[in-house]
Amino acid sequence: DAGITQSPRHKVTETGTPVTLRCHQTENHRYMYWYRQDPGHGLRLIHYSYGVKDTDKGEVSDGYSVSRSKTEDFLLTLESATSSQTSVYFCAITSQYNQPQHFGDGTRLSIL
Amino acid sequence: EDKVVQSPLSLVVHEGDTVTLNCSYEVTNFRSLLWYKQEKKAPTFLFMLTSSGIEKKSGRLSSILDKKELFSILNITATQTGDSAIYLCAGRYNNNDMRFGAGTRLTVKP
Repeated sequence: DAGITQSPRHKVTETGTPVTLRCHQTENHRYMYWYRQDPGHGLRLIHYSYGVKDTDKGEVSDGYSVSRSKTEDFLLTLESATSSQTSVYFCAITSQYNQPQHFGDGTRLSIL
Repeated sequence: EDKVVQSPLSLVVHEGDTVTLNCSYEVTNFRSLLWYKQEKKAPTFLFMLTSSGIEKKSGRLSSILDKKELFSILNITATQTGDSAIYLCAGRYNNNDMRFGAGTRLTVKP
């Protein structure tokens, strides 16, 4: 395993509530990523971070925000969850941007 | 629009068969193509390809990239039930963006 822990592993919540997912790594890697995986779409990049307090948007960033105050933690926040954000969320890390990313086990999020 | 297309979407074979999974890509500023295997949880890294015509091999799995025709293939020989998974390919473009295909679901029957 690449030393990545995602929490919670499963969450069910209601539309309109805020949700925060956490990705914690023990590898001291600089780059961290959040993806969502939906049937028929593969993995799509939401946001990524290239250092503490350095983040940027990915392909499907609308409705999501991120923060990285420490090297080891990358938080994904849904300010007001919608049913369209029901998905499996994966965190990934890499030491260099041109190296393979390694993934956590995912968080299954259901928004009712 | 940058995109990655995998085919077939699903495939059922019997143990011992050889399979070829396809991945075509249209990405600007292409950097590399990656293959991952996903069983129940996290995608696990298989190969990263940056140069045309050079085969990467790991046991019964091998992969090659054709940058002129913009595609890659993943071969699995002598398939086993443990090869059953979703195989994902991704084109990496720019520095931090990877565009994934929808995946090929491989089922290997005993």
